[in-house]
Amino acid sequence: EDKVVQSPLSLVVHEGDTVTLNCSYEVTNFRSLLWYKQEKKAPTFLFMLTSSGIEKKSGRLSSILDKKELFSILNITATQTGDSAIYLCAASKNKLVFGAGTILRVKS
Amino acid sequence: GAVVSQHPSWVICKSGTSVKIECRSLDFQATTMFWYRQFPKQSLMLMATSNEGSKATYEQGVEKDKFLINHASLTLSTLTVTSAHPEDSSFYICSARVSSRTAGELFFGEGSRLTVL
Repeated sequence: EDKVVQSPLSLVVHEGDTVTLNCSYEVTNFRSLLWYKQEKKAPTFLFMLTSSGIEKKSGRLSSILDKKELFSILNITATQTGDSAIYLCAASKNKLVFGAGTILRVKS
Repeated sequence: GAVVSQHPSWVICKSGTSVKIECRSLDFQATTMFWYRQFPKQSLMLMATSNEGSKATYEQGVEKDKFLINHASLTLSTLTVTSAHPEDSSFYICSARVSSRTAGELFFGEGSRLTVL
């Protein structure tokens, strides 16, 4: 059975801290790993990772995939209160298999 | 990025009625759309994969007669919750795949919150 596991389930940090969110997966016919940020409504796309070892960056966010160890991490540096959200990772095959998400709260 | 519109954004209905939710890709054609359900503080649970011009593929445990999916055009998929009951109250989200060649990037609608009284 396909599964995607995220850790931690929730996290509270102070503004300026750096956080690392983890995502491990066991999915047949794996194609790519995606990260989404969900605030009040629907998830918004952050990254899609297909190859191992190539870091993708967007501002203070970065992510990398390890296809040998079957995991990905999402880093957020210099966190801001606006980073507070649920961060979802999903393994893509012919559909997306989502993890349970990490609830991040950044305190001012 | 690509835009996916979902309507209505929220709906309240009486038990026993049916509710239709629409998902439209506004600036691209989507041969495949996905319908998810999300309970409070939980992740997205895939309900079904909607394919244009053919029957939807339902995930295990999802009643196809309860959740009717129609994908009549390349820009519109609908989810009808038939004979809704309070336990069907949830947040329903659709997504559409931009590229048919690869896994591609999924864009999500803003979701529809259904409350069944």
